[in-house]
Amino acid sequence: KAGVTQTPRYLIKTRGQQVTLSCSPISGHRSVSWYQQTPGQGLQFLFEYFSETQRNKGNFPGRFSGRQFSNSRSEMNVSTLELGDSALYLCASSLVLASGELFFGEGSRLTVL
Amino acid sequence: TQLLEQSPQFLSIQEGENLTVYCNSSSVFSSLQWYRQEPGEGPVLLVTVVTGGEVKKLKRLTFQFGDARKDSSLHITAAQPGDTGLYLCAGYPNAGNNRKLIWGLGTSLAVNP
Repeated sequence: KAGVTQTPRYLIKTRGQQVTLSCSPISGHRSVSWYQQTPGQGLQFLFEYFSETQRNKGNFPGRFSGRQFSNSRSEMNVSTLELGDSALYLCASSLVLASGELFFGEGSRLTVL
Repeated sequence: TQLLEQSPQFLSIQEGENLTVYCNSSSVFSSLQWYRQEPGEGPVLLVTVVTGGEVKKLKRLTFQFGDARKDSSLHITAAQPGDTGLYLCAGYPNAGNNRKLIWGLGTSLAVNP
């Protein structure tokens, strides 16, 4: 069974640009969550999608957005990048909504210069 | 407000030693999960504990959920270099309808050969 796949693994952007990250969940998993991980703040919840609908949202500005497609694949977008957006962005899938049993991808490492 | 406090923050030990890491809260949790994250990877689910007082064993790892479901511990016997990583606890607090998974900041463990 293939795991959660995130692309790209690494990317470098400059301030003001935007970025789109992609996540393919485990086959059969309908819930996809996104997290931002930084050394000082740990794992910060961005949002959770289930059946193409955003079901829960963390405390991030509107520059952070996401969507989920009918095949459960998900994308997140960050617009007008800031230096503080540099982080590891993790996607996790689960069978059901609001499950603590998450299966994570390897993450997308974003560096903003 | 960090609802899940993990201690110690850092731990460096020699191969073969035993260790215990803790995950504490003043809130009651319906369940707690433990994850291990290795450098450059996403977190991997180790165990879920649900019942107060529950003890679960995974090879050399022993997980315990407090009787009041406010705390949990992870004990590793005869640690090996392969146990090196960031150990994270996470859970949903009972209070409120907010179904956002709460994460601790983690314990970074280094096992030296």
